[in-house]
This record gives sequence, structure tokens and C-alpha cells, in this order.
Amino acid sequence: ETGVTQSPTHLIKTRGQQVTLRCSSQSGHNTVSWYQQALGQGPQFIFQYYREEENGRGNFPPRFSGLQFPNYSSELNVNALELDDSALYLCASRPPDRVDEQYFGPGTRLTVT
Amino acid sequence: ILNVEQSPQSLHVQEGDSTNFTCSFPSSNFYALHWYRWETAKSPEALFVMTLNGDEKKKGRISATLNTKEGYSYLYIKGSQPEDSATYLCAPRQGGSEKLVFGKGTKLTVNP
Repeated sequence: ETGVTQSPTHLIKTRGQQVTLRCSSQSGHNTVSWYQQALGQGPQFIFQYYREEENGRGNFPPRFSGLQFPNYSSELNVNALELDDSALYLCASRPPDRVDEQYFGPGTRLTVT
Repeated sequence: ILNVEQSPQSLHVQEGDSTNFTCSFPSSNFYALHWYRWETAKSPEALFVMTLNGDEKKKGRISATLNTKEGYSYLYIKGSQPEDSATYLCAPRQGGSEKLVFGKGTKLTVNP
């Protein structure tokens, strides 16, 4: 077990809606990254948060946004959902100064209809 | 865009067989290579982080090698067991970035 949890496990949304996915990291993990795995692809980096600030973004539009909280939880928000947003969303956290240690959650499966 | 290739895409072996698969990545600006093991409905589990050319790492029956000059890594599983069934992902990192760039993975099925 990695000690990283995500909720919900699955959800279904309609195109145009907004969604919030949640991640709970291990205590002390002050860096969290989010990844999107579309069907048949490897996970793709969305962005990273460090000390509640965005600290790097992949090739994703601004309608993908995040929040990180002092209690080591974080959120991924996606506005104006599109069909192509259907994917598995993974979060990964790590402790301070341990760049090589990324602990992944089991993911949230989002289906957009 | 960093192009990471893993082969084969999927693999079926019998219990007791040894197997190996490949991860290919651009050798320029290489920083580190991560291997993950991912069972269905679970979290990806870190296997190895490798940084130096010629690195060899071992964890039980699983081992990995790294060639940064030519841009590839091999993962070996000796005496495969049904519990080794999973998708194995590799992810290089470039230039000190924390961003993992994943391949599509190799899905291993070990039949009893």
C-alpha cells in the first residue's frame, strides 16, 4: 500500500459539466502531482503542486486546475468537461527532498458522456 | 515531447518461465528512469529508480538494467509467478525535472 487514497473511485459526468477529484496524501508529503491516463496510453503529467502553489504544468488547458491543502489533501478540478477527458486520473505525492519517491494513489475513473 | 517506447505491449507466459521487456527513451538530457508495477485496481508500485549508465538493480526475482548512452532499460523477471501478472511501466525523467514521462506499459499475464 502506498498510503495515498483517491475519491471517488468512479464517476460519470455529462459533457460541459464540472468535476472535482480528490487525493489524500501521506502526512508530510508536501508535493503532489496529477496524471491523466487515457485509454491505451501511459499516464500523462497534468501539473504539480508544492506548498499549495502550482509548480509545473504539462500540456493541459487552463480548465484543468488544482488545489492543495495544508492537511496533505488535494483536488483536481476540470471545467467544461469534454468527451476526451474520459480517463483514469492518478495523483502521486512525495515527502520533502525525496524527488525519487513518488507514491501513487489507485486513481479515479472519470467517464464523460 | 519525450518519446518513450515499451515492448512488447503484452506478454503471456507460463508459471516458471523467465521473461524480459524493454523500455526505450531518448538518451539526451537523461536524469533518471523509474520502473513501476501496476496491478489492476491498485496503485502503481515503485520497483526501481535508476540513474547511472550500467546500473543494475534487483528486487527478489525482478531485476533491471540501464543503458543511458543508447537509451534503453531492460526489466527481467526470473521464474514468473501468477502474482507477477501486472502492467509494468517505465518513466524516464529529463534534466532534473520531477515530471515522469510514462510509456504505455507492458502487460504481463502469468498462467498457472
